[in-house]
Amino acid sequence: AQKVTQAQTEISVVEKEDVTLDCVYETRDTTYYLFWYKQPPSGELVFLIRRNSFDEQNEISGRYSWNFQKSTSSFNFTITASQVVDSAVYFCALSEFDGNKLVFGAGTILRVKS
Amino acid sequence: GAGVSQTPSNKVTEKGKYVELRCDPISGHTALYWYRQSLGQGPEFLIYFQGTGAADDSGLPNDRFFAVRPEGSVSTLKIQRTERGDSAVYLCASRGGGNEQFFGPGTRLTVL
Repeated sequence: AQKVTQAQTEISVVEKEDVTLDCVYETRDTTYYLFWYKQPPSGELVFLIRRNSFDEQNEISGRYSWNFQKSTSSFNFTITASQVVDSAVYFCALSEFDGNKLVFGAGTILRVKS
Repeated sequence: GAGVSQTPSNKVTEKGKYVELRCDPISGHTALYWYRQSLGQGPEFLIYFQGTGAADDSGLPNDRFFAVRPEGSVSTLKIQRTERGDSAVYLCASRGGGNEQFFGPGTRLTVL
């Protein structure tokens, strides 16, 4: 069975600090997808990134970066120079290679204080 | 273009009543998904459709829950004999050619 663990329930940082959100997953599949979603206070889940299991290259998009390490089954998310608008709940998710049934972690609440 | 829309945004009902929750996917998206999110938890998969047919309904908790997508676009999630434990946010998502699912704002269901 697939499982996603986000051990950090809540993180508080001061604006401009860097912050890393951890995600550890379990799957028996050799091919799969990993995702990160953001859920701001408005409630709507916003897609951030999709990574397939073949591609272990780290990715950077502006202040966001992702570190995928298959050896440790981790897909961590770093926000550089955090801003108050980054405050949200962040979810890591896993799917089989067909991209259908997403299995989500419990989420990490990020609070960025000014 | 319009995103995924869900109606109603909030639904309050009494225990034992029947409710219907509607989802309008992004135009042209063939796959449609329903998830349920309880307070403080991540979304949990309920069912997904490829076109008109339910391709995987393994997440439906019991036979009180049913979903349809008769014309391959709009979907309705139906809950019979609602229980207090059904209270949650019901999320709908759709997917086009890529592998990312785009979510709607959800319907908050409260069963009194």
